[in-house]
This record gives sequence, structure tokens and C-alpha cells, in this order.
Amino acid sequence: EPEVTQTPSHQVTQMGQEVILRCVPISNHLYFYWYRQILGQKVEFLVSFYNNEISEKSEIFDDQFSVERPDGSNFTLKIRSTKLEDSAMYFCASSLGGEKLFFGSGTQLSVL
Amino acid sequence: AQSVTQPDIHITVSEGASLELRCNYSYGATPYLFWYVQSPGQGLQLLLKYFSGDTLVQGIKGFEAEFKRSQSSFNLRKPSVHWSDAAEYFCAVGPRAGNTPLVFGKGTRLSVIA
Repeated sequence: EPEVTQTPSHQVTQMGQEVILRCVPISNHLYFYWYRQILGQKVEFLVSFYNNEISEKSEIFDDQFSVERPDGSNFTLKIRSTKLEDSAMYFCASSLGGEKLFFGSGTQLSVL
Repeated sequence: AQSVTQPDIHITVSEGASLELRCNYSYGATPYLFWYVQSPGQGLQLLLKYFSGDTLVQGIKGFEAEFKRSQSSFNLRKPSVHWSDAAEYFCAVGPRAGNTPLVFGKGTRLSVIA
């Protein structure tokens, strides 16, 4: 079965540093998402992306966050200046459209 | 406001025993309903979903879930748990139209003992 691939699996960074989390969605999918899960809390929606632009974003997705699909295959999430509270598991997902999302295995971000 | 409640943070069952994981939701209209499973080091895998029709839906790995509109519930069940079922289980709801993102519950961690 096709998979969503995320790299790295674990990223450690210093507070204030920029990080880029990378995702390769399933090749024929059209909709792309980032979710995050802070330890012990629910999985939260960050942003959705369609047709090369953000289609929806949550309150969490402030000016420190950005997404990009630079080359037609990768889908990246950038955090410009990380904060301690950005430590979380970040999940990328993609879909053809509609209901069934395919999730990657996540990137655990630790901000020190 | 849309929300999903999974009242059990952690459940431990014996291998071979039956399992029921609870999920209640609050949503403006009847949503689409999902159960996802996250095994250690893995992503979120879709177990099953309810869109319409028969309120008892079958999923992968022997799981089933029943939609009860009157109770706003979508509980997940399995008649006989295997040790490999130990994982985190998430209930989620989504809209019937548009691409509004899924709303997840906090998850229930399932431990299986011999």
C-alpha cells in the first residue's frame, strides 16, 4: 500500500532555531495536511494545503509556521523560531479528496 | 463547538478478552466518524469509518464500531483482543461536505496482558 513518508523521525533543536519538517505525500494525492500531537494531548489540526495554497489553518498556525510544496513531491512545514511549546509529534497526511486521510509515521520535535 | 471525547485514557485487557473503547462527539450535524490506531513508532492507520447506512461498521483487524445517533457515540469493539492490538486508539469526526479538517479525541491507550 502506498505510504506517506516523513523525515526525520526525530528532530532536536534549540529554542529560537528554525526547523523544517519534511513529508512526501502519496503521489496522486491532491490534499495535504499537517497535524500535531503534544504529549498527552489530542491530535490537533494545523493546516491544509490544496492547489499550491493553504486552504485552511488553525489558530495554532501563526506567523511562525509556513508550508511549502517546493517540487511537486515534497510537502514541508517550517517553524521559523521554535519555542519550547512547539515540542510535539508532527504528522503529515494526504488524501485524494474527502474523507480518507493517509498519515505518515510522524516527526518527534524536541525543542530544548 | 466540535469536539470528541474519549473518556478512557488507558485501558488494560487480557489477551483473548473482549474490548470496547468509548467515543462521544459533539458536532453541528451528523458527521463522518473514524477510528484510527497508532502503533508505537507508526503513523495513524485508519481502522474503520462510518458515513451512512448500517450503523454497525466493520473494519480491519477484526474491529467493529457502532454509531448511535441518540447517544452521539461511536464505540469501538473487538470480541477477542490479541497482544498485537496494544496501541493508541483515536476517534475522529469530520464534515460530510467540504474539506474541513478532522477533529480528534485525546486517544485511549490499550495495553494487553497475557
